[in-house]
Amino acid sequence: QKEVEQDPGPLSVPEGAIVSLNCTYSNSAFQYFMWYRQYSRKGPELLMYTYSSGNKEDGRFTAQVDKSSKYISLFIRDSQPSDSATYLCAMREGAQKLVFGQGTRLTINP
Amino acid sequence: GAVVSQHPSWVICKSGTSVKIECRSLDFQATTMFWYRQFPKQSLMLMATSNEGSKATYEQGVEKDKFLINHASLTLSTLTVTSAHPEDSSFYICSARGGDMSEGNFGSGTRLTVV
Repeated sequence: QKEVEQDPGPLSVPEGAIVSLNCTYSNSAFQYFMWYRQYSRKGPELLMYTYSSGNKEDGRFTAQVDKSSKYISLFIRDSQPSDSATYLCAMREGAQKLVFGQGTRLTINP
Repeated sequence: GAVVSQHPSWVICKSGTSVKIECRSLDFQATTMFWYRQFPKQSLMLMATSNEGSKATYEQGVEKDKFLINHASLTLSTLTVTSAHPEDSSFYICSARGGDMSEGNFGSGTRLTVV
């Protein structure tokens, strides 16, 4: 079993829809949770960074962490074609290395 | 925000030659740098972790004699792929972690093609 599980998709939704992306994990010691967006042939770009449980909102993006269920989510409101990319969840324990999910390929159709 | 510069963005080399990839933190001191490899449609695979002034720590299965990592200063780390072979063709990405433990500092990646 992988430490971090993420559905690779692909996921295709119409423009304007709300997108829900999720990851589950097995290591209860994870404390820091990140969501990255990666365009083709580019490095990952940090979207959201959350410590411990709770919600965090930044513009059209909302990240949720439920440590009791070992489940994290990223919601994208009013999705745009420019949001089409691969979304990677990642997490770490303290100062340890990042552990990435497989990434979900998302396409927003105009 | 913090900027990490990775160079070159792409390189083609002949089999048997060596290739050096640079990763620079432009406006902060990177206590730790990470090197990843990414195959098409797959996630990032950590190759090694380097701390300034000390030897890199390699992940299991990564050949340290083939992938040489140098972190001689707080702003520069290099990855050298030695005696490259076609199976080394991949997308290599670095990231730099500063004192605030932020994780947003990834390079733009280097696409290596070995022919």
